[in-house]
Formats: sequence, structure tokens, C-alpha cells
Amino acid sequence: EDQVTQSPEALRLQEGESSSLNCSYTVSGLRGLFWYRQDPGKGPEFLFTLYSAGEEKEKERLKATLTKKESFLHITAPKPEDSATYLCAVNGDAQGGSEKLVFGKGTKLTVNP
Amino acid sequence: GAVVSQHPSRVICKSGTSVKIECRSLDFQATTMFWYRQFPKQSLMLMATSNEGSKATYEQGVEKDKFLINHASLTLSTLTVTSAHPEDSSFYICSLLAGNHEQYFGPGTRLTVT
Repeated sequence: EDQVTQSPEALRLQEGESSSLNCSYTVSGLRGLFWYRQDPGKGPEFLFTLYSAGEEKEKERLKATLTKKESFLHITAPKPEDSATYLCAVNGDAQGGSEKLVFGKGTKLTVNP
Repeated sequence: GAVVSQHPSRVICKSGTSVKIECRSLDFQATTMFWYRQFPKQSLMLMATSNEGSKATYEQGVEKDKFLINHASLTLSTLTVTSAHPEDSSFYICSLLAGNHEQYFGPGTRLTVT
């Protein structure tokens, strides 16, 4: 069974203080690992897809990396507007060919000015 | 990425009544759409997979007769919560499947059953 564990559950940073969020996963035949941002009362906003170990993707202050067991979302010099819950999800062969995503519980990031 | 809308954004209904939630793809023809439910401070839980022109596939523990899904076109899927009860109060979110296994989500619908 595919599993996703995110840590920490919550993270408080000062503006400009860089850090990383972790997503550990177990999956049979990874087809994709996905990062989303979710603001309170809103649907998840797509950030990145990673398909294979060693892959990296960047968008503004965010950079996502992938190994065979985990993914990191690095946040460089965060701003208060980066405050949100960051969700990690995987899709693997164990889903029987379906496109179902298995989500972690998320990391709630708060960036103080 | 694809743009998804949901209507209504918020709905309050009385116990025992039914409520319909619409999920529209604004710029993408979606063969497959998904319906999720999210309780406070919890992550998204998949309820069902909606395939255009065929019956939805429900996750274990989700009552198909209570949560009716219709995906009649490539741009519209609907979720009807029948005979709603207070325990059905939740945040319902739809998504569509685009290329490369990516899912794009709607803004969500907050359902409150009184």
C-alpha cells in the first residue's frame, strides 16, 4: 500500500529564513510525486511533479527534489505570502493503473514578517 | 495548468435534503475527474473517480447511493449528496486529470448540514 508521510506537521519561519519540508514515501512503481499548496478554505494549487530520482524543479522561491525514498521542498528566503499548507502526494503502480493520488497530511508553514 | 471551477462555493442545507455540487473544467476536456472530501485539519480523502460517459468508481466505505456522481460531458461532473446529515458537513473538492498524471483542483465547496 502506498504511503506518504510529511514532516514537520507545522513550521514557523521568520521572513528570509530558508528551510525545507520533507515528504517520505513508500510506493510500488512511482509514476509521479506531486507537490501542492493549499490556502485555508481553498482547493490545492498545483506546484510540481517529479517523476524520477534525481529530478529537481524550481519555481520562484521553491525548489523540489526527489530521491528514491523522499522528496524535499526547499523554500529560499520565504515571504509571509508563502504561508500555506504544503501537500505531497504520490501515484504509483499499486493503484492498479488508476490515477489515484495518495496524500500526506501536509505541512502547515507560517512565515512571520 | 487546467482551470477548474466549482459551484456553489458554500451551501447550507437542512438535514434530509439533497444538494448538488458542480465541477467544471474551463479550458480542458477532462475524461477523468475526481471527488475528494476534506475534514478540518485533515488531508484530502478520495471519494470517487468520475469517468465521462460511464459509472463512477467509488472508494471503499463511500456509499454510492448517497453520493451520486454524474459525468455527462468532458467539462462537467456533478456530485449530489442525497438525504444529507450533519456528519456529511465537509469541504468537497473536485479535480481533473490532465496529462502526465497531473491533477488540477477546483476551489472547493463548503457544505454545512443543519
